[in-house]
Amino acid sequence: QKEVEQNSGPLSVPEGAIASLNCTYSDRGSQSFFWYRQYSGKSPELIMFIYSNGDKEDGRFTAQLNKASQYVSLLIRDSQPSDSATYLCAVLREAGTALIFGKGTTLSVSS
Amino acid sequence: EAGVAQSPRYKIIEKRQSVAFWCNPISGHATLYWYQQILGQGPKLLIQFQNNGVVDDSQLPKDRFSAERLKGVDSTLKIQPAKLEDSAVYLCASSLGIRGEQFFGPGTRLTVL
Repeated sequence: QKEVEQNSGPLSVPEGAIASLNCTYSDRGSQSFFWYRQYSGKSPELIMFIYSNGDKEDGRFTAQLNKASQYVSLLIRDSQPSDSATYLCAVLREAGTALIFGKGTTLSVSS
Repeated sequence: EAGVAQSPRYKIIEKRQSVAFWCNPISGHATLYWYQQILGQGPKLLIQFQNNGVVDDSQLPKDRFSAERLKGVDSTLKIQPAKLEDSAVYLCASSLGIRGEQFFGPGTRLTVL
């Protein structure tokens, strides 16, 4: 079982819709969870992080964490064509260590 | 605040040649990471430094890759000799604390012919 799993997509949504991106992780003791956005040919950009069970909202983005199910998700409300990118889920297993990344989910928002 | 700086941005070499990449982290960030990202994959850690000490180099192919971070600031990553499978983007990231909020530089795209 891979440590961090994401559906590679592509996930296609119309402009204005809600995009839902999902990620599962294998290490139950993982502490922190991150979502990075990566445009084609660019480096990853941190958009959200979450440490505790529940929801965390930042503008159009909501991160959801369920440690019991080892599941983290990212919701993008009112999706825009500029949201079209690859979204990388990353997990921190222990403080002071490096992130473990999934392969990413490609999101395409059509106008 | 200036971000993570990397150079060069692009490099094309032939197999068996050597190459070096440079990274300057965000000012004050004690932790520096080098990741390798192959097309279609997520970044994979090569080496992590805390100040100028190595925290994790378990996935660094030490027969050909080396890295150093002198004076706890800038870092260089070297590949010698390069193989075709080293073609990838090499990303440098830095973080202030230990809870994982890492910020990436623009990366160096390496093509090995």
